[in-house]
Amino acid sequence: DTAVSQTPKYLVTQMGNDKSIKCEQNLGHDTMYWYKQDSKKFLKIMFSYNNKELIINETVPNRFSPKSPDKAHLNLHINSLELGDSAVYFCASSQERAGGRIGELFFGEGSRLTVL
Amino acid sequence: GESVGLHLPTLSVQEGDNSIINCAYSNSASDYFIWYKQESGKGPQFIIDIRSNMDKRQGQRVTVLLNKTVKHLSLQIAATQPGDSAVYFCAESRSGGYQKVTFGIGTKLQVIP
Repeated sequence: DTAVSQTPKYLVTQMGNDKSIKCEQNLGHDTMYWYKQDSKKFLKIMFSYNNKELIINETVPNRFSPKSPDKAHLNLHINSLELGDSAVYFCASSQERAGGRIGELFFGEGSRLTVL
Repeated sequence: GESVGLHLPTLSVQEGDNSIINCAYSNSASDYFIWYKQESGKGPQFIIDIRSNMDKRQGQRVTVLLNKTVKHLSLQIAATQPGDSAVYFCAESRSGGYQKVTFGIGTKLQVIP
């Protein structure tokens, strides 16, 4: 069983389109994240949710809208896609409370978004 | 702004030799430092962490050293194996409140058979 799974793994789309990436974790963790990794492998946090509540919202364009229907799911919707949105988007989870190791994130395998 | 960065973007090491990957950080408020390994096509994976009140921590074939005076972190891999080939990231976080893990620039480790 995959601990953190995200779909789709690959996404190719035209500029201006709207797309979504879904993430699910079966680890029972209370916190989930979205990270963006650019072509130089730099990983930057975008959002974090704890028990469905938004707790980190970095300076991300409002075209990006995360949604957490429950603590096991965190989806990312992107409106009006731009060329610069091309990247690998990683979902991650962690256990914020009681027994979680600080700084230990469990990552999915990534969703490679290519905007043409 | 505050950042965590690496000195060497690519490191080539002969199989069986020891590897040392370095990292400089600038956020004095960080009290946890972590190393992650990212293999091709996969997400980063936690390797080892060290708290700011320690200067050395050992795991299986890996050792992390922390020098708070010069804000330097290193990961040592003993007897490097082909399976160690990956991109390595240092990262920092803080205890208290909701955690935010900030990653530095990765170093690609290439193991030469």
